[in-house]
Amino acid sequence: DAEITQSPRHKITETGRQVTLACHQTWNHNNMFWYRQDLGHGLRLIHYSYGVQDTNKGEVSDGYSVSRSNTEDLPLTLESAASSQTSVYFCASSESGKGYEQYFGPGTRLTVT
Amino acid sequence: AQSVTQLDSQVPVFEEAPVELRCNYSSSVSVYLFWYVQYPNQGLQLLLKYLSGSTLVESINGFEAEFNKSQTSFHLRKPSVHISDTAEYFCAVSDLRGGSYIPTFGRGTSLIVHP
Repeated sequence: DAEITQSPRHKITETGRQVTLACHQTWNHNNMFWYRQDLGHGLRLIHYSYGVQDTNKGEVSDGYSVSRSNTEDLPLTLESAASSQTSVYFCASSESGKGYEQYFGPGTRLTVT
Repeated sequence: AQSVTQLDSQVPVFEEAPVELRCNYSSSVSVYLFWYVQYPNQGLQLLLKYLSGSTLVESINGFEAEFNKSQTSFHLRKPSVHISDTAEYFCAVSDLRGGSYIPTFGRGTSLIVHP
């Protein structure tokens, strides 16, 4: 069965370190998204991609970067982790075009100390 | 920019009672509407969606939502809830921005079903 996976599921890191969260999907979807989920804020879009070599900033992109070298993967990098980036991060994918729903990964809980 | 408002952050209800989770959005021009459910320590799953056609859409587990264009609302209802419906529910609106359809999520409503 097709799926979307994230790794690691839990991560503790120190302020200032670079951290990369992995996202891998086997749906063969062109669209991929990264969100962070914080209490009281719901889901906020960090970055998204509509295909290989395409990346776009979301509403809370500062301090984060992504790259899309193939269809299956969209890693999220925190260049210099800050305590404000402690959160649960979700990756999602969807088919191209209007009206398609997103398929979400299980999430990565990141703690920055 | 699109905004999605879920009017209740938490809805407590007794088992077998009816429930309504409210969702309003800001722009009604060519939007696609979704409800997602998130169980503890899991990712979001699609519950139901409205793309076009009948304004009432149903899910396989008894939830339904009605698209109301004039009121820019997409409220979620269930006539009789179960303990297993306890979860976080997110309303999402996908609209055209910069040539692409971008989803915007509400802040979520925590449905708590008491025995």
